[in-house]
Amino acid sequence: GDSVTQTEGQVALSEEDFLTIHCNYSASGYPTLFWYVQYPGEGPQLLFRASRDKEKGSSRGFEATYDKGTTSFHLRKASVQESDSAVYYCALSDPSNTNKVVFGTGTRLQVLP
Amino acid sequence: EAAVTQSPRSKVAVTGGKVTLSCHQTNNHDYMYWYRQDTGHGLRLIHYSYVADSTEKGDIPDGYKASRPSQENFSLILELASLSQTAVYFCASTPDWGQDTQYFGPGTRLLVL
Repeated sequence: GDSVTQTEGQVALSEEDFLTIHCNYSASGYPTLFWYVQYPGEGPQLLFRASRDKEKGSSRGFEATYDKGTTSFHLRKASVQESDSAVYYCALSDPSNTNKVVFGTGTRLQVLP
Repeated sequence: EAAVTQSPRSKVAVTGGKVTLSCHQTNNHDYMYWYRQDTGHGLRLIHYSYVADSTEKGDIPDGYKASRPSQENFSLILELASLSQTAVYFCASTPDWGQDTQYFGPGTRLLVL
């Protein structure tokens, strides 16, 4: 079945560091890919999404590029801030497989001042 | 602004007791979902509904029932709560299945003793 793999369970950085959170997916069709962010005490909220190969999604300084060749959608930010501390989820929706949204296991980002 | 609310925000239940978690949305969305969140597992779909008076099983429905009495309301019912059901539960809504942004509530933290 469809799946999303996030290899980093936790990431600790200092302010102004460069961030990469890896996301790889497996899907039978041509999925839409999402990044969600969850701040403490809140539900996840959409960061951005991408629907086609080479499309770049971006929001709040974060970005990711849909890469069908490597089945990846890695999240990057050039300079993180303490306020970016949160859990980040990669997810996919596969129209050829019931359109269900499948979430990765999440990556907890802690940014130290 | 999309709005999904959940009640209660936290609950302590006894093993074998009945627990009802409630969700209310003012988005006028057709689709509603219940997820549970556990460390190391991310978000997993329990039940979902696309119309009032109808519910569907998600990936981990065992031990849970759902009820959708109206478009706005969606409940998750644990008839016989167990220790393994201790988790954070999120409700979400979307206007359509899969492709669209999911709007999450703030979550309910359930502790089963």
